[in-house]
Amino acid sequence: DGGITQSPKYLFRKEGQNVTLSCEQNLNHDAMYWYRQDPGQGLRLIYYSQIVNDFQKGDIAEGYSVSREKKESFPLTVTSAQKNPTAFYLCASSNYRGLDEQYFGPGTRLTVT
Amino acid sequence: AQKVTQAQTEISVVEKEDVTLDCVYETRDTTYYLFWYKQPPSGELVFLIRRNSFDEQNEISGRYSWNFQKSTSSFNFTITASQVVDSAVYFCALVEGGSQGNLIFGKGTKLSVKP
Repeated sequence: DGGITQSPKYLFRKEGQNVTLSCEQNLNHDAMYWYRQDPGQGLRLIYYSQIVNDFQKGDIAEGYSVSREKKESFPLTVTSAQKNPTAFYLCASSNYRGLDEQYFGPGTRLTVT
Repeated sequence: AQKVTQAQTEISVVEKEDVTLDCVYETRDTTYYLFWYKQPPSGELVFLIRRNSFDEQNEISGRYSWNFQKSTSSFNFTITASQVVDSAVYFCALVEGGSQGNLIFGKGTKLSVKP
């Protein structure tokens, strides 16, 4: 089945630790995105990538880092510099610069204590 | 600046009622795209519809319909004869044609359909 996978579904970390969230897609999409969702809020863009080995900061990139070494994969690292890392993280991909519909993964719920 | 406003935070209806979810957007671009997504309790966003700024035709898909009016910068979503399975958070979103796919989301409307 074609789609986007994110793992794990739930992640718990101690404050001060870096953590990496996985995102893999087999839709052959060029563009990939990471969003953060807080309770009662819409989604906010963290980072996006239109092509392998290239990525851009979104609206709330501080405290996060990404890599795009393969077309299928776009991992997100939540660093200890992120002040409020507890949130629901969603990965998405799209066919054409995001002007086509973006398809979303199931999300990872990160809790940092 | 681009912005999407969903003024209804929560709506509760009884099954079989019709319900309309409002979406108002702001953009300076003449080319843009509007989307609706559904987020069920599982959390994954499900794509419902995409509309470009040059196509103001209303769209109907089963019990779902969308009304796009550029004159009022609105892209409203109506569910006819609602069902319990329609219970979810619904997001309206905008992307400008000149952007690199930066989807701007509204804060969502939580719809509860009671049996």
